Amino acid sequence: AQSVTQLDSQVPVFEEAPVELRCNYSSSVSVYLFWYVQYPNQGLQLLLKYLSGSTLVKGINGFEAEFNKSQTSFHLRKPSVHISDTAEYFCAVSSKTSYDKVIFGPGTSLSVIP
Amino acid sequence: EAQVTQNPRYLITVTGKKLTVTCSQNMNHEYMSWYRQDPGLGLRQIYYSMNVEVTDKGDVPEGYKVSRKEKRNFPLILESPSPNQTSLYFCASSASPGGLYGYTFGSGTRLTVV
Repeated sequence: AQSVTQLDSQVPVFEEAPVELRCNYSSSVSVYLFWYVQYPNQGLQLLLKYLSGSTLVKGINGFEAEFNKSQTSFHLRKPSVHISDTAEYFCAVSSKTSYDKVIFGPGTSLSVIP
Repeated sequence: EAQVTQNPRYLITVTGKKLTVTCSQNMNHEYMSWYRQDPGLGLRQIYYSMNVEVTDKGDVPEGYKVSRKEKRNFPLILESPSPNQTSLYFCASSASPGGLYGYTFGSGTRLTVV
C-alpha cells in the first residue's frame, strides 16, 4: 500500500520569493507521482506528473518538481511566487502495478503575502 | 469546454433524507471517481467506475451508493445521510485509470447534514 506525507500544513511566503512544498511517499513498488492545486472554491487541477524518465518535471504556472527515489520524495518548487499562487496543494501517488488507486496527501496551504 | 459538472454546489439536508449528487463529464472518459475531502485528511476515494455498469468500492464506501448507466454520468447517492457525511465531495474523470494521466475534477459539492 502507498501513503503520502506532506509535512507542512501551511506555508506563508512573500511575493516574488522562492517556495518549496515538501512531499514524501511510502511504497513497496514503483510509483507514479502527481501534484494538484486547488484554488479557493474550485476543484483540483493537475499541476504536473512524474511517470518515468527525467526526474525533473516541469508543470504549469512555472512550477517544477523533482523525483528522488532514494529519499522517496517529490518536492514542488517555484523560483518566484505570485499572489495568484495562493492555494491548497496536494501531492498524490499511485503504484505502477495498480494505477487505478490514487492516494492523496493531506495538502499544504500556500499563502503568498504581498 | 471540457469539464466535469457537479450539482448542486451546496446542499444542506437533514439526517435520513435521501439525496443524490449528480456528476456529468463531456470528455467521453471511461474512468470516473468520487472523492470526499475533509480537513487534514486530503481526498479519500468513495467509489470509482471503469466503464458503464462497472463500479467498485474505494477506501470509504460505507453509506454511499453509485450507478453508471451512461458513460457521461456518475451520480452519488446517500440513501440515509448522517452528520459524519458532512464533507466536500468531488467527482473526477479520466481517459484512463486516474493514476496514470491524472484526473479532471468537478468544482465540488459542499454537503452539510444536520
